[in-house]
Amino acid sequence: GAGVSQSPRYKVAKRGQDVALRCDPISGHVSLFWYQQALGQGPEFLTYFQNEAQLDKSGLPSDRFFAERPEGSVSTLKIQRTQQEDSAVYLCASSQQLAKNIQYFGAGTRLSVL
Amino acid sequence: DQQVKQNSPSLSVQEGRISILNCDYTNSMFDYFLWYKKYPAEGPTFLISISSIKDKNEDGRFTVFLNKSAKHLSLHIVPSQPGDSAVYFCAASGSNYKLTFGKGTLLTVNP
Repeated sequence: GAGVSQSPRYKVAKRGQDVALRCDPISGHVSLFWYQQALGQGPEFLTYFQNEAQLDKSGLPSDRFFAERPEGSVSTLKIQRTQQEDSAVYLCASSQQLAKNIQYFGAGTRLSVL
Repeated sequence: DQQVKQNSPSLSVQEGRISILNCDYTNSMFDYFLWYKKYPAEGPTFLISISSIKDKNEDGRFTVFLNKSAKHLSLHIVPSQPGDSAVYFCAASGSNYKLTFGKGTLLTVNP
């Protein structure tokens, strides 16, 4: 596709349930980023991949959060034992090798934990 | 501690007039700045950017100005159109490429 694709668009989880969010970046983009956006806030950085290597995971809020990109294309953000404070929009972005700063975002996955 | 601040939560302008959105930052290591536009239920859309070696970048109706000594940047939209109504986010990055965002400014352009 032409843009970054994320699925599902909406996810409702019961507290304690595990969830997996998928991101399909723009074809050819080697860099991939995950951000978390709480209501009324700007996106906040979670983690960054260059190809399959996770180069920065400093923004992951706890060890319940795990991200992977095994083949350097599609990425999955997994949240184990979800808590109410995990409710947010999770945004994925990708960028070209020569312009990593200019990141193109998907529509996001809105996660609601009940 | 917010490193990127957008102090105006909202701005309302008339169609055809200039919209000026402001952003301040505190981290001297930021060397690249971006503006994103966001419609409801969509992801942020890249609008325009500027490197710290420049003080102005223009793209059609959109111009970004950077004042490094004041750690301030602004986005000018001229002329403003109703379709410009959206939330505008200022973002900054350094050598690690991760973007630090402000909280956003809701721009409303009235016909």
